[in-house]
This record gives sequence, structure tokens and C-alpha cells, in this order.
Amino acid sequence: EDQVTQSPEALRLQEGESSSLNCSYTVSGLRGLFWYRQDPGKGPEFLFTLYSAGEEKEKERLKATLTKKESFLHITAPKPEDSATYLCAVQASSTDSWGKLQFGAGTQVVVTP
Amino acid sequence: DGGITQSPKYLFRKEGQNVTLSCEQNLNHDAMYWYRQDPGQGLRLIYYSQIVNDFQKGDIAEGYSVSREKKESFPLTVTSAQKNPTAFYLCASSISGGGESSNQPQHFGDGTRLSIL
Repeated sequence: EDQVTQSPEALRLQEGESSSLNCSYTVSGLRGLFWYRQDPGKGPEFLFTLYSAGEEKEKERLKATLTKKESFLHITAPKPEDSATYLCAVQASSTDSWGKLQFGAGTQVVVTP
Repeated sequence: DGGITQSPKYLFRKEGQNVTLSCEQNLNHDAMYWYRQDPGQGLRLIYYSQIVNDFQKGDIAEGYSVSREKKESFPLTVTSAQKNPTAFYLCASSISGGGESSNQPQHFGDGTRLSIL
């Protein structure tokens, strides 16, 4: 069965203190790995898609990387506005998982001034 | 501005009552999805639709029903058979649900929070 595990569950950072979030996955062939940001009371906002091991994507202070077993979301010199829950989701390439995303439980990040 | 609109933002259900959550998109996406989000858990798929007039059960479809009569609209009904309906419900869409475009990202609305009176 496809599984996605995110760690840590929660992360408290000082402004400017860089850190990384982990997303470990077990799927029968990866079609895509997706990162989302979710603010309280809002829907997830799409950040990145990664398709193959070794791929990297960047957006402002965020950088996502992918290996065959896990993905990291690196937050460089975070600001308070980076506070959110970050969700990871994977899509398997098996034919009976059409379009389906398997989500992790998320990492709640709080950045204090 | 293209996007996904969910309404209402908050909804209360009385025991024995069916309630319907609205989801409309103007992104011209073929595929639409309904998820349920509970604290400490990942999003779980309720129903999805690849194309108009077609939809499939997800992982937790019991107690829910959907329709897809128009490309833009994918309403979700939470029936009285759903014994634990209190949750945050999220609607999403993507360009296509199958084939070569199936790995395109899903885009989400801002959710409906359903509570029991």
C-alpha cells in the first residue's frame, strides 16, 4: 500500500534559522511528488511538482529536492510569513491509482520574529 | 481570476439531515475531486470525477454522494448515513485525471467546515 510520512510533525524556527522538512514515501513507482502550503482555514496552495530522483525546484526561500525514497523541503532564512502547514503528496504510476494523490499528515511550521 | 469556489464556508448539520456542499471551478479543468481533512491526518479522497457525467468512489465514499452534470460543478452531498461528518471538506481540480496529463498538480478551493448541531 502507498504510504507517505512527513517529519517532524511540528517545527518552530527563529526568523533566519534555516531548516528542512522530510517526506518519506513508499509507492509502486512514482509518477509525481507534490508539495503544498496550507494556511489555517484555507485550502492547500500548490508549490512544486517533482517527477524524478535528483530533481530540484526553487521558489523564493523554498527549495524542494527528491530522491528515490524521500523528498526534502528546505526553508532558507525563513520569515514569519513562511509560517504554515506544509503538505507532501505522491502519485503512484500503477494503473489503478489514476490521478489519485496520497497525502502525508503535514508539518506545521511556526517562524517567530 | 480563475479558481475554485467552495460554498458555504461554514455549514451546520442537524441529525438526520442531508447537506450539500458546492464546488465550482472556472479553470476549464476536466478532473475534480473531493477530500476530507481531519486534524492530524492527511487529506483523504471521497470521490473524484475525470469527466462530465462520470465519477468514481475514493477511499472513504460511504455516506457521501456526488454528481457531475456540468464541467464546472461538482457538488458533494453529506447524507445522514455519514455518522461522523464533522470535518474540513476540500474540493480540487486538475487539467486531466488520466493519461499523460494525470501527473499535473491539483488546485484546491478554500474549503467548507462542516459541524454537527
